[in-house]
Amino acid sequence: KNQVEQSPQSLIILEGKNCTLQCNYTVSPFSNLRWYKQDTGRGPVSLTIMTFSENTKSNGRYTATLDADTKQSSLHITASQLSDSASYICVVSAGNQGGKLIFGQGTELSVKP
Amino acid sequence: GAGVSQSPSNKVTEKGKDVELRCDPISGHTALYWYRQSLGQGLEFLIYFQGNSAPDKSGLPSDRFSAERTGGSVSTLTIQRTQQEDSAVYLCASSLSASNYGYTFGSGTRLTVV
Repeated sequence: KNQVEQSPQSLIILEGKNCTLQCNYTVSPFSNLRWYKQDTGRGPVSLTIMTFSENTKSNGRYTATLDADTKQSSLHITASQLSDSASYICVVSAGNQGGKLIFGQGTELSVKP
Repeated sequence: GAGVSQSPSNKVTEKGKDVELRCDPISGHTALYWYRQSLGQGLEFLIYFQGNSAPDKSGLPSDRFSAERTGGSVSTLTIQRTQQEDSAVYLCASSLSASNYGYTFGSGTRLTVV
């Protein structure tokens, strides 16, 4: 069964600190993996997208890694800001699903001053 | 338009009533998807349209749910005889094609069935 699992479920950090969110997946055949940020009451916004051959991709203070062998991905946030408080969702696309995405449950990040 | 537009942004309806949710995708995007996000749950795939192909309806939870996409652009998700468990945020996304790249989500419609 195609699944995406994220950890931790929730995380509280102080402003300025770094954090790393984890994503494990069992999706086959794998096509690509994305990280989304979803602010409360808004639709998800894409942060990064990585294919099988990519190990790391950065978008400002966000850096995503992908290990296709162990089927793990991480999202590292550097020098967190209050505006980083949101839900971060790991999403995997299967190569035979015609565009259908498989979503993780998300990690709820709260950045405190 | 510049983004994916969904309307209404909020909808409160009585149990048993029918509702229609609208999605206006980015101009030129041939692929359109509907997802549902229930409280505390991840996003759940509902239906997928790609060009003129028959839609992938495999995610629709019951026959009370249906969706149309007219003229390859605007899509309407209809829920008949709404139930309280239908309460959720319904998200629409579009992409240039079914290549899995360049997904853009709308802000969603928050449906509350009372």
